[in-house]
Amino acid sequence: AQRVTQPEKLLSVFKGAPVELKCNYSYSGSPELFWYVQYSRQRLQLLLRHISRESIKGFTADLNKGETSFHLKKPFAQEEDSAMYYCAFQGGSEKLVFGKGTKLTVNP
Amino acid sequence: DTGVSQNPRHKITKRGQNVTFRCDPISEHNRLYWYRQTLGQGPEFLTYFQNEAQLEKSRLLSDRFSAERPKGSFSTLEIQRTEQGDSAMYLCASSSTVFKGYDANTGELFFGEGSRLTVL
Repeated sequence: AQRVTQPEKLLSVFKGAPVELKCNYSYSGSPELFWYVQYSRQRLQLLLRHISRESIKGFTADLNKGETSFHLKKPFAQEEDSAMYYCAFQGGSEKLVFGKGTKLTVNP
Repeated sequence: DTGVSQNPRHKITKRGQNVTFRCDPISEHNRLYWYRQTLGQGPEFLTYFQNEAQLEKSRLLSDRFSAERPKGSFSTLEIQRTEQGDSAMYLCASSSTVFKGYDANTGELFFGEGSRLTVL
């Protein structure tokens, strides 16, 4: 079955520290992977997608097919990065399958 | 265009009642999705439409749930004979498979603010 796993429910770091939010998926084909973010009192929105290979707000994510992972990284976390982060996967269907999310808190 | 709009934002109902939610997508988007989210969980796929055609439904979706998109614009999600387990946030999202005249499904979903259902 297609599945996305985000092992950390909560992640807390200090401002300026590196942050890595983990995401693993299970799918035998070639997936498309995304990170969505939900800031406090805002709607869920796309942060980045693996096919774009872009850095958004200092975040990057690399698809590792060998490890079936798509971890989200930022070298220096900022307080405004505090939010819920959802890894999402699309494979063999047009629907997006979301992980349970990781709540990131960046402390001053 | 203010983005994806959902109504009502909050609904409290008694068990056994029927409820209906409406979603107005971004006007040029041909795809519309319904998701459900409960506390501590990520959005769970329910169904999606391309124009007026309902192309996929979750196997988890009970027969009490029905969704329509009659003219390929707005959509409604009806839950009949509500149960306490139906209490959740119901999210609508839209997307486009066309960009500047080309088939370019970017996979980006634009979400509404959600309709929160509480079943007493």
